[in-house]
Amino acid sequence: ETGVTQTPRHLVMGMTNKKSLKCEQHLGHNAMYWYKQSAKKPLELMFVYSLEERVENNSVPSRFSPECPNSSHLFLHLHTLQPEDSALYLCASSQDPPMGQAREKLFFGSGTQLSVL
Amino acid sequence: KQEVTQIPAALSVPEGENLVLNCSFTDSAIYNLQWFRQDPGKGLTSLLLIQSSQREQTSGRLNASLDKSSGRSTLYIAASQPGDSATYLCAVRRETSGSRLTFGEGTQLTVNP
Repeated sequence: ETGVTQTPRHLVMGMTNKKSLKCEQHLGHNAMYWYKQSAKKPLELMFVYSLEERVENNSVPSRFSPECPNSSHLFLHLHTLQPEDSALYLCASSQDPPMGQAREKLFFGSGTQLSVL
Repeated sequence: KQEVTQIPAALSVPEGENLVLNCSFTDSAIYNLQWFRQDPGKGLTSLLLIQSSQREQTSGRLNASLDKSSGRSTLYIAASQPGDSATYLCAVRRETSGSRLTFGEGTQLTVNP
């Protein structure tokens, strides 16, 4: 158990559905991330929230909409997805150091395996 | 643009063998490098983190080295066990402050009993 919990573990949805992925971290961290992992491709950073403010958006299509209501919870709202969006979606958290210093270790959840039909 | 390459893509060894996984990166201006382990369908577990000023880090049977100037890191696994079977990923963080980690595609390791 890494302290980062993702639900659901598996999700199958049609292209017209709306669903949400949930992530919760129990580590007291102040930064949270969404990553996408597709088969045979490196992990891709999607969004970063630091102190509940979105600080990075890696040119992700608008059919993916993140929400960070507090430092412990992160959501990824999905709508009108495409089959190529099928992937493992991973949430991670870290403790943000003072300004000017890079973030350190990431702690990952187990992911949501998403299939879009 | 930073690119991270891991060789080999897959490796199969008998139990008890010592092995080395390789990671190379194109931009040597890194802040740190991490090695992760990923089991099938699961998230990533951080194994070792090496700061750019360090040469190596050790944890149990694992030893990671870093040669920043040549853009290389290795993960050495001693006395491999079937439980070590997983995909091993390396990721580098750029030198300037920020959140971006650049990942390699991973090495899929199988340790046969």
